[in-house]
Amino acid sequence: GAGVSQSPRYKVAKRGQDVALRCDPISGHVSLFWYQQALGQGPEFLTYFQNEAQLDKSGLPSDRFFAERPEGSVSTLKIQRTQQEDSAVYLCASSYRVTGELFFGEGSRLTVL
Amino acid sequence: KNEVEQSPQNLTAQEGEFITINCSYSVGISALHWLQQHPGGGIVSLFMLSSGKKKHGRLIATINIQEKHSSLHITASHPRDSAVYICAVRGRGGGTSYGKLTFGQGTILTVHP
Repeated sequence: GAGVSQSPRYKVAKRGQDVALRCDPISGHVSLFWYQQALGQGPEFLTYFQNEAQLDKSGLPSDRFFAERPEGSVSTLKIQRTQQEDSAVYLCASSYRVTGELFFGEGSRLTVL
Repeated sequence: KNEVEQSPQNLTAQEGEFITINCSYSVGISALHWLQQHPGGGIVSLFMLSSGKKKHGRLIATINIQEKHSSLHITASHPRDSAVYICAVRGRGGGTSYGKLTFGQGTILTVHP
């Protein structure tokens, strides 16, 4: 595609629900990153894929967070048993190589009630 | 102390003014990114640099590796430049940490006509 596409753009969940956020990177981009941005803050690293391999998941805040990229293209960030503190914008970015320019999606804004 | 510090946090200018946003970091880096984020969440990569200076239109980015400092300059500012400007650094740790960006908290720029 022309750019990084994320869906849904907005998600409202009740506390305890599971949510899945999708990222469709630019075709051919090897590296894919997930970031969490709380209101008024800079993004914070969650996890990073090189093709289908999850090379770094040190930023995932708890074991309720899980990310996958099974075929090395589309990635899904899953949050189980959502809590209010999970409310944030979840940003996905991709690059042709790990050291290359980053292209960001519009983000998925999650609100947990 | 955060690894990446930006100043100022908020900046208000009149159209036409020359603007400087600063970024200081405390770790060894392989690259530094300047990003622009408009209301609604979309992030655009402005520059990626590891040394010297880059220029694109009215935007200029410089980096001093020895002083661990970078600046983003906007010449002849315009109301459409109003956005959050974010500095992010890529570590030099090698291996899987190469993919992780650490972000500053952002500088909110408002340019009045």
